[in-house]
Amino acid sequence: DQQVKQNSPSLSVQEGRISILNCDYTNSMFDYFLWYKKYPAEGPTFLISISSIKDKNEDGRFTVFLNKSAKHLSLHIVPSQPGDSAVYFCAASAGGGSNYKLTFGKGTLLTVNP
Amino acid sequence: DGGITQSPKYLFRKEGQNVTLSCEQNLNHDAMYWYRQDPGQGLRLIYYSQIVNDFQKGDIAEGYSVSREKKESFPLTVTSAQKNPTAFYLCASSISTFGRAQHFGDGTRLSIL
Repeated sequence: DQQVKQNSPSLSVQEGRISILNCDYTNSMFDYFLWYKKYPAEGPTFLISISSIKDKNEDGRFTVFLNKSAKHLSLHIVPSQPGDSAVYFCAASAGGGSNYKLTFGKGTLLTVNP
Repeated sequence: DGGITQSPKYLFRKEGQNVTLSCEQNLNHDAMYWYRQDPGQGLRLIYYSQIVNDFQKGDIAEGYSVSREKKESFPLTVTSAQKNPTAFYLCASSISTFGRAQHFGDGTRLSIL
């Protein structure tokens, strides 16, 4: 049972345009969401996160939107750059107490073409 | 520089052998984790530890064992009971308070000879 789903295995965009990566979740207990970026043969790098008490969080070119009623979040990258080409993982955790576990989606490969 | 060090980067194992993957962190993080990544798959949690001398099974713990004798170290042993050990293994750590971002090492790729 996949609790975090990234339904697009890949996405290709032109440099300078917007990249939108999507993520859906099924567990209503999830209250904290994160995006990670991963290059081949390296570990994931934390990008941005959002708590369920918010619906938007921005950090430079990266913005994450959360729609709790739809159990959907998205990562917007504007403008996209060739260096953004990587696999992007969505992750979620259910809070309360000392729950540290993250549940990851399968990832979306973003290719930004010059 | 603070970070997480995984060694070795590539590891080969013969059938029937146990092998131990190293993970060391100097971030002073309380919690540490082991994940496995297979092609086209997300990261799946093997084991995690919130404090020294304590650890819990993740979603796919069968065939693996861990120890947490020091805060800085969380080695993972892939035993001969693990039927399909070929994968990319990632170690991570996080602070124990709210702010659940985990920081990852660069991984160890394990292959069966």
